[in-house]
Amino acid sequence: DVKVTQSSRYLVKRTGEKVFLECVQDMDHENMFWYRQDPGLGLRLIYFSYDVKMKEKGDIPEGYSVSREKKERFSLILESASTNQTSMYLCASTTRHRAYNSPLHFGNGTRLTVT
Amino acid sequence: AQSVTQLGSHVSVSEGALVLLRCNYSSSVPPYLFWYVQYPNQGLQLLLKYTSAATLVKGINGFEAEFKKSETSFHLTKPSAHMSDAAEYFCAVSSNTGNQFYFGTGTSLTVIP
Repeated sequence: DVKVTQSSRYLVKRTGEKVFLECVQDMDHENMFWYRQDPGLGLRLIYFSYDVKMKEKGDIPEGYSVSREKKERFSLILESASTNQTSMYLCASTTRHRAYNSPLHFGNGTRLTVT
Repeated sequence: AQSVTQLGSHVSVSEGALVLLRCNYSSSVPPYLFWYVQYPNQGLQLLLKYTSAATLVKGINGFEAEFKKSETSFHLTKPSAHMSDAAEYFCAVSSNTGNQFYFGTGTSLTVIP
């Protein structure tokens, strides 16, 4: 089974801190994604990456950046955390092979609170 | 751009009753459709996916969904609700390239004993 591991389940950070959310997948997937989940808004795509060192902005990239130095690891960075970034963050991956028909595999999420 | 609409942000059913969660999509090309379930404080798990091989798709935990092109719908059903089905359910459609997945806003299912 595919395993997507997010390094932290819960994080509490202060406003202005730089925050790193780490995600690792073990299935050699090319595509990796970061979503933010908020009540009533569903999942919103922050960034995705389809290869090492490649990244594409999603729907809400402002205030975030990403890093993909290795195929299995995709990091989300909050340059200067703000209270409106308090949310559940979900990492996901999928293969590029028949990608249109391949489901996303999700990590368990990181619930970030910015105070 | 593709989009997914889930009617009803909250659905309550009695234990043993039929579960029906609605999903409509907007797509100008053949869609690739998925249903995911999310239990509290967990990530999303795949319930089922539409592969175009059959319009009625069976998934895990007794769920199934029927693809109706004429109605642009992919509703999720289960004949008899169980307490363990209480969760949030998301419908999603992927782009042809697989680089983009579009999610509905989710339906929270409550099962009443």
